[in-house]
Amino acid sequence: DAGVTQSPTHLIKTRGQQVTLRCSPKSGHDTVSWYQQALGQGPQFIFQYYEEEERQRGNFPDRFSGHQFPNYSSELNVNALLLGDSALYLCASSNDRDGYTFGSGTRLTVV
Amino acid sequence: GNSVTQMEGPVTLSEEAFLTINCTYTATGYPSLFWYVQYPGEGLQLLLKATKADDKGSNKGFEATYRKETTSFHLEKGSVQVSDSAVYFCALSDHSGAGSYQLTFGKGTKLSVIP
Repeated sequence: DAGVTQSPTHLIKTRGQQVTLRCSPKSGHDTVSWYQQALGQGPQFIFQYYEEEERQRGNFPDRFSGHQFPNYSSELNVNALLLGDSALYLCASSNDRDGYTFGSGTRLTVV
Repeated sequence: GNSVTQMEGPVTLSEEAFLTINCTYTATGYPSLFWYVQYPGEGLQLLLKATKADDKGSNKGFEATYRKETTSFHLEKGSVQVSDSAVYFCALSDHSGAGSYQLTFGKGTKLSVIP
């Protein structure tokens, strides 16, 4: 049974560009959450999607947006990239019965 | 708001030594508490959890007890192995149910176990 799949695994972007990260949840999970993990820090909650809508949002600017598709997969979009957006982006899926299952993350480097 | 404070690392231990990683929290209400582990190049794996006061979570020889009176959830293991080398994160959620909660994490403690 595949767990949470994230793509790409690594990405290098230039300041000011836009980026899209993708996440396929674990089979049977309908909720997707995104976290940002800066180097040497704990993950910080960005937002959560359920039934194709943003259900909760952390303290992140509007440059961070997302989407959930009917098959429960999700995208995280970041516009106008800043150097400070360089981080590991983690996707986690869940449902009403299970806790989180985390993916291995996408390492984003902004230069 | 919610916050988690855990002891700063890195922590270096010899194999078979006793491990304690301290974690304290601030939260409104009755949070659930978690320990996650992150191996190099990987995402987070749930190590153990506790959902109410005095609960003890345990897994793979690791234990942690939810202490409401001291707002703590310290991680312990009696005898560490080289394979336990990883970064450990303490976390809380303000929702005991699955699915809809968000996690607040500490900064992580890097553990290195030497043979």
